[in-house]
Amino acid sequence: EPEVTQTPSHQVTQMGQEVILRCVPISNHLYFYWYRQILGQKVEFLVSFYNNEISEKSEIFDDQFSVERPDGSNFTLKIRSTKLEDSAMYFCASSEYGGIQETQYFGPGTRLLVL
Amino acid sequence: GIQVEQSPPDLILQEGANSTLRCNFSDSVNNLQWFHQNPWGQLINLFYIPSGTKQNGRLSATTVATERYSLLYISSSQTTDSGVYFCAVANYGGSQGNLIFGKGTKLSVKP
Repeated sequence: EPEVTQTPSHQVTQMGQEVILRCVPISNHLYFYWYRQILGQKVEFLVSFYNNEISEKSEIFDDQFSVERPDGSNFTLKIRSTKLEDSAMYFCASSEYGGIQETQYFGPGTRLLVL
Repeated sequence: GIQVEQSPPDLILQEGANSTLRCNFSDSVNNLQWFHQNPWGQLINLFYIPSGTKQNGRLSATTVATERYSLLYISSSQTTDSGVYFCAVANYGGSQGNLIFGKGTKLSVKP
């Protein structure tokens, strides 16, 4: 069964450093998402992406964050200058057409620790 | 925006027992998904169920959209069922296509 993959599974970085989290959505899916989960808290929406542009973003997704689809398979989340509070599990998700009435498939997550 | 409340927050079961997890939501929904977060933090899709009933093995789910709640049933629980169960919803009016998650129910199944 097709699945969303994410790399790396874990990343440790120093405060102020740039990190890039990578995702490979399901191949025929057109709509991509990033969510994050701070330890012990609920999962929160960050950004959705369709047709090479941001469709929606939350208040969390400030100027420190950016997303990109650099090629036909990868979808990336960049955090320009990491802060301690960026430590979280980051999940990538994809759906086939981006309609509300369809399943979003989640990847296994990247656990980011900022020291 | 739409509010999602899950109950109970914590649940401890003996292996073999059955359980019911509840998800209440404050507005009509066009998408409702149940997830299991395993001890490694991975989110596993369980059901897409904005209305009606579905079953998959020992798990089943029912959503009563008109009364704004969904139930997840786990029968004959196993230790591998341990983890956190999340309900997430989306609607056209508020969240657009983005899923709004509840705080989850933490399930511990003891051998």
